[in-house]
Amino acid sequence: EDQVTQSPEALRLQEGESSSLNCSYTVSGLRGLFWYRQDPGKGPEFLFTLYSAGEEKEKERLKATLTKKESFLHITAPKPEDSATYLCAVHSLNSNYQLIWGAGTKLIIKP
Amino acid sequence: GAGVSQTPSNKVTEKGKYVELRCDPISGHTALYWYRQSLGQGPEFLIYFQGTGAADDSGLPNDRFFAVRPEGSVSTLKIQRTERGDSAVYLCASSLKPLHLSGRGEETQYFGPGTRLLVL
Repeated sequence: EDQVTQSPEALRLQEGESSSLNCSYTVSGLRGLFWYRQDPGKGPEFLFTLYSAGEEKEKERLKATLTKKESFLHITAPKPEDSATYLCAVHSLNSNYQLIWGAGTKLIIKP
Repeated sequence: GAGVSQTPSNKVTEKGKYVELRCDPISGHTALYWYRQSLGQGPEFLIYFQGTGAADDSGLPNDRFFAVRPEGSVSTLKIQRTERGDSAVYLCASSLKPLHLSGRGEETQYFGPGTRLLVL
């Protein structure tokens, strides 16, 4: 059965303290892996799509990487405005129409 | 350009009542998705439309839930005989093309702000 697991559930960092969020997946075959950011009371906001192992994407302080088993969202020198829940979703060969979503990592950046 | 919009933003209803939630996708997007999200969880797939037809409704929890997209644009999610367990945030997303027919980048789902449904 296809599965996506995100860790940690929550992460508290000081402003400027770099870290990484993990998205592990078990799927029959990967078509794409998506990262979203969700602020409280809002819908998810698209960040990146990764398609193959070794691929990397960057946006401001965020960098997403992909291996055959997991993806990392690296956050460098975060600021309080980076506080949000980060969601990972996978499109697998088993499912034409649906994404499989992780439960998210709640990131809190303290000033 | 305008993003995905959803109305109402909040809906409070009583157990047993009927509710309708509306989604207005990005213009030109052929695929439309409905999700349900509970606190601390990722979005849970409900139904997917390709044009006017529901291509996959396997996520609808039971026959109290129904959705339509009569002209291939705006969609309405309808919940009959609401129960307290239906309380959640209902999210709508649209994409230029559906997951299984898209080239890279065309399958990106863009979300609306959600409708927060509370059943008392």
